[in-house]
Amino acid sequence: DQQVKQNSPSLSVQEGRISILNCDYTNSMFDYFLWYKKYPAEGPTFLISISSIKDKNEDGRFTVFLNKSAKHLSLHIVPSQPGDSAVYFCAADYQGGKLIFGQGTELSVKP
Amino acid sequence: DVKVTQSSRYLVKRTGEKVFLECVQDMDHENMFWYRQDPGLGLRLIYFSYDVKMKEKGDIPEGYSVSREKKERFSLILESASTNQTSMYLCASTDYSGGIYNEQFFGPGTRLTVL
Repeated sequence: DQQVKQNSPSLSVQEGRISILNCDYTNSMFDYFLWYKKYPAEGPTFLISISSIKDKNEDGRFTVFLNKSAKHLSLHIVPSQPGDSAVYFCAADYQGGKLIFGQGTELSVKP
Repeated sequence: DVKVTQSSRYLVKRTGEKVFLECVQDMDHENMFWYRQDPGLGLRLIYFSYDVKMKEKGDIPEGYSVSREKKERFSLILESASTNQTSMYLCASTDYSGGIYNEQFFGPGTRLTVL
């Protein structure tokens, strides 16, 4: 039973445009959500997070939106750059410090 | 700067072998985790540890065990490797405590192939 789902395995965007990565979850008890970025042959690195008491968090080009009623979060990257090409994982915190991850979305930003 | 290191980047083993994957973190984190990453499945938690000599099963512990004899080191053991354990293995650590979430820091991963 996949509690965190990223339904788009891949996304291709032109450089300078907006990238929108989506994530759905089923458990309303999740209280913290994170996005990680992963390059090939490297471990994931933390990108941005959001508490369940907020609906938006912004950090430079990256913004995460949380819609609790829809159990949906999204990551917006504006403007997208070729260096943003990577696999993006959303994750939810449950049972205090343990994370459950989505399947990942591979973003390709074309020059 | 937090550093999580894993003993091998690539490993090839034969079916039935006992395999040890080592992870070391240098930030005095209390919590350590082992995940495996497979295409289309994301990262799945195998085992985690909140303290020395303490371990708890994650979502997919079957076929694995762990050891945490020192705070900085967390080992994943495949008792008898099988081909379905071919995967990317990722170690992570964090200083989560008291309801305040802190990010998990990941190592570079070990690509294990079981023949």
